[in-house]
Amino acid sequence: DIQMTQSPSTLSASVGDRVTITCRASQSISSWLAWYQLKPGKAPKLLVYKASTLETGVPSRFSGSGSGTEFTLTISSLQPDDFATYFCQQHISYPITFGQGTRLEIK
Amino acid sequence: EVQLVESGGGLVQPGGSLRLSCAASGFTFSGYGMTWVRQAPGRGLEWVAAISSGGVTHYIDSVKGRFTISRDNSQNTLYLQMNFLRAGDTARYYCAKVRTLGVTSFDYWGQGTLVTVSS
Repeated sequence: DIQMTQSPSTLSASVGDRVTITCRASQSISSWLAWYQLKPGKAPKLLVYKASTLETGVPSRFSGSGSGTEFTLTISSLQPDDFATYFCQQHISYPITFGQGTRLEIK
Repeated sequence: EVQLVESGGGLVQPGGSLRLSCAASGFTFSGYGMTWVRQAPGRGLEWVAAISSGGVTHYIDSVKGRFTISRDNSQNTLYLQMNFLRAGDTARYYCAKVRTLGVTSFDYWGQGTLVTVSS
């Protein structure tokens, strides 16, 4: 199985900050990586797929990059609505696996 | 507007069974693969099972032989039959629509249904 490792586990930041979350795969997954946002009581939301393609309707302050085994999700200027938990997911092969999550909290 | 609404969760004893349902609307259900993902309390997301538009299924090893994913295209409904439940199956279960053919990301999710396995 492909292991996905995210860092950091928790990130404290302020509105307006630029933040970056990293996701590493245990083997090459080419660009088959997605990022999701999860908030309590709400349906998870797809932000980015194929490493860098922004899902329709996702604000342009979100961006994804990387290929192979190392990927990043960047939020260029944090907004109050962005404080949530973020997960990466490989979608190159079964079993599909997620990173353990990065909780983005208000500093 | 795509909507996915899960139901069927609840409290069940170890060794018991539950069947989860996911009612889909707003897209051509029969044309897309679907999947179940769970999140145990205080833990991350864990993919559980997937079914293609053609009915091909995949499972995580820990549920093989215990869980069965199925779909009824006439009712636009996805199911997850869960047997021989264990405490480790306690989680919120989400259904999700796959974005494209093949192994892919999930572009729409429901809000989940809570399954608690406890005596």
